[in-house]
Amino acid sequence: DAGVIQSPRHEVTEMGQEVTLRCKPISGHNSLFWYRQTMMRGLELLIYFNNNVPIDDSGMPEDRFSAKMPNASFSTLKIQPSEPRDSAVYFCASTQDRGIYGYTFGSGTRLTVV
Amino acid sequence: KNQVEQSPQSLIILEGKNCTLQCNYTVSPFSNLRWYKQDTGRGPVSLTIMTFSENTKSNGRYTATLDADTKQSSLHITASQLSDSASYICVVSEGSSNTGKLIFGQGTTLQVKP
Repeated sequence: DAGVIQSPRHEVTEMGQEVTLRCKPISGHNSLFWYRQTMMRGLELLIYFNNNVPIDDSGMPEDRFSAKMPNASFSTLKIQPSEPRDSAVYFCASTQDRGIYGYTFGSGTRLTVV
Repeated sequence: KNQVEQSPQSLIILEGKNCTLQCNYTVSPFSNLRWYKQDTGRGPVSLTIMTFSENTKSNGRYTATLDADTKQSSLHITASQLSDSASYICVVSEGSSNTGKLIFGQGTTLQVKP
């Protein structure tokens, strides 16, 4: 099992540009989570999906952020337009049965907006 | 507000020594408490998961304890190795079921020196 796969690993973009982060969860996992990690705030939940349906997006900072999960094996997190304060490491995690057995995190995407 | 506080913020020890990391939480009710290890540039990896009725759980040289009355948990690392250098994150699952929102601590950064 290759684990949770995120791409790209690093992204540097200019302010105002659109950024799309991608995630492939572990096959068979029915819940997918997007987190953001910064030094100041640690890990914060942005949104999570259960069976491809968004369940809780209360952590999405503002309308510039959107996430989709068109099928069980793929999810995207899009930021449009990006701002320097969006610079962070974005993690995707997946689990079976909404967390009972623990989460598996991807290696993250380090986003830098200049 | 439900919170998870970890101490110390950072710690340096010599290889072979033991250490204990602390986690205090105000999350109530809670269903489980998890400890994660996060290597630099990687996603968090689960070390232990304890329900509110468990007092201790071990994973190799890692032993986690939980006192639900005082709302404290600790992670004890025995015979530390250089590879133990990482950030250790305490995570509490909010609510009475295993599917509750995760509340993350800010982490303790451990550095093991030869």
